[in-house]
Amino acid sequence: AQSVTQLGSHVSVSEGALVLLRCNYSSSVPPYLFWYVQYPNQGLQLLLKYTSAATLVKGINGFEAEFKKSETSFHLTKPSAHMSDAAEYFCAVSGPSGGSYIPTFGRGTSLIVHP
Amino acid sequence: ETGVTQSPTHLIKTRGQQVTLRCSSQSGHNTVSWYQQALGQGPQFIFQYYREEENGRGNFPPRFSGLQFPNYSSELNVNALELDDSALYLCASSRDSSSSYEQYFGPGTRLTVT
Repeated sequence: AQSVTQLGSHVSVSEGALVLLRCNYSSSVPPYLFWYVQYPNQGLQLLLKYTSAATLVKGINGFEAEFKKSETSFHLTKPSAHMSDAAEYFCAVSGPSGGSYIPTFGRGTSLIVHP
Repeated sequence: ETGVTQSPTHLIKTRGQQVTLRCSSQSGHNTVSWYQQALGQGPQFIFQYYREEENGRGNFPPRFSGLQFPNYSSELNVNALELDDSALYLCASSRDSSSSYEQYFGPGTRLTVT
């Protein structure tokens, strides 16, 4: 069985400050890991994904995430927050289930950016 | 390149009724997945269709069913609606069924069951 835990339902930062959104996963096999962003009244957009290549993954909009197997973590960071980063962020893990890959999403973290 | 589209945008139904939601996949994509996102929650996987066959199912009862057509568009049908079915229903398409392929999400259909 696989699961995802996102620590903190809300994270508040000032514009220009470091963004850190936490994600821990459990999976019985080496997983694929993803971060998605969801703006109000929109679908999810992929920020980045880990597929067992480099452990430091760079995504769009200046975000990156580091896969740490020993900590079962895949935290999302961005050096300097922009007002436009305010959104809901979801971490997801995906592993094989039969002939397909069933993704499991976390409950989401709402990023609030103050001017 | 046209993205993933879903219809309708919003829908209000009464408990016990049936509903059909529609999704047009992105050009060149043969895999469609459906998700239910309750308010304040992450998306929950309902099922996936790959080349018109169901290719995986989450923990949802049989009254949730689907179809994929030869043009790879898809429908989600929910029978005997319950109040707890109120949610945003998301459709996502991908180039293939492998997990490494990026999923492209539509804007969703907001279903309200009264």
